[in-house]
Amino acid sequence: AQRVTQPEKLLSVFKGAPVELKCNYSYSGSPELFWYVQYSRQRLQLLLRHISRESIKGFTADLNKGETSFHLKKPFAQEEDSAMYYCALRVSSNTGKLIFGQGTTLQVKP
Amino acid sequence: NAGVTQTPKFRVLKTGQSMTLLCAQDMNHEYMYWYRQDPGMGLRLIHYSVGEGTTAKGEVPDGYNVSRLKKQNFLLGLESAAPSQTSVYFCASTQTPGASYEQYFGPGTRLTVT
Repeated sequence: AQRVTQPEKLLSVFKGAPVELKCNYSYSGSPELFWYVQYSRQRLQLLLRHISRESIKGFTADLNKGETSFHLKKPFAQEEDSAMYYCALRVSSNTGKLIFGQGTTLQVKP
Repeated sequence: NAGVTQTPKFRVLKTGQSMTLLCAQDMNHEYMYWYRQDPGMGLRLIHYSVGEGTTAKGEVPDGYNVSRLKKQNFLLGLESAAPSQTSVYFCASTQTPGASYEQYFGPGTRLTVT
């Protein structure tokens, strides 16, 4: 079965603390994974994709095929990181269809 | 360049009423998608289109119909609204899945069915 699981509905940390948003997937093929973010009153937007191995706004995510995980990490959280984060798995290269996780709300307290 | 736009932003319907949500994109994208967002459920794909004149079912298509008569527009219809269709609806588009893979999202339509 194709599935993306984000076990935490809400993650609350203090400014400057490390952050790790968990994402686990189930997929029989070669996975292509993404993190999307939705800031308050803004539209959903791509944060990063595993294939690029990039760091955006200090966030990184490493694909671990052995653990079927794609956790999002940031060493020092900022208040402006507060948002809803979605992990997504591309399940079709022909249609671009994505399966999203349930989402995790990150709350960074001052 | 407005990107992806959605009309209307908000709507309240009574059970049994019908309505159409409009998604428009000005990026000349081939692929378009309709999602619904519900608390604790994430985003779920309703229908999608891989080009003008084509549509296909997604994960949760029941109760919805779509049309893609023009490349830039993707319409989502509810023929007989039900309270279970209360949700936030997002449209997205992408050029081709094989290129950047990024989906660009609209601002959403908040629909309440009473």
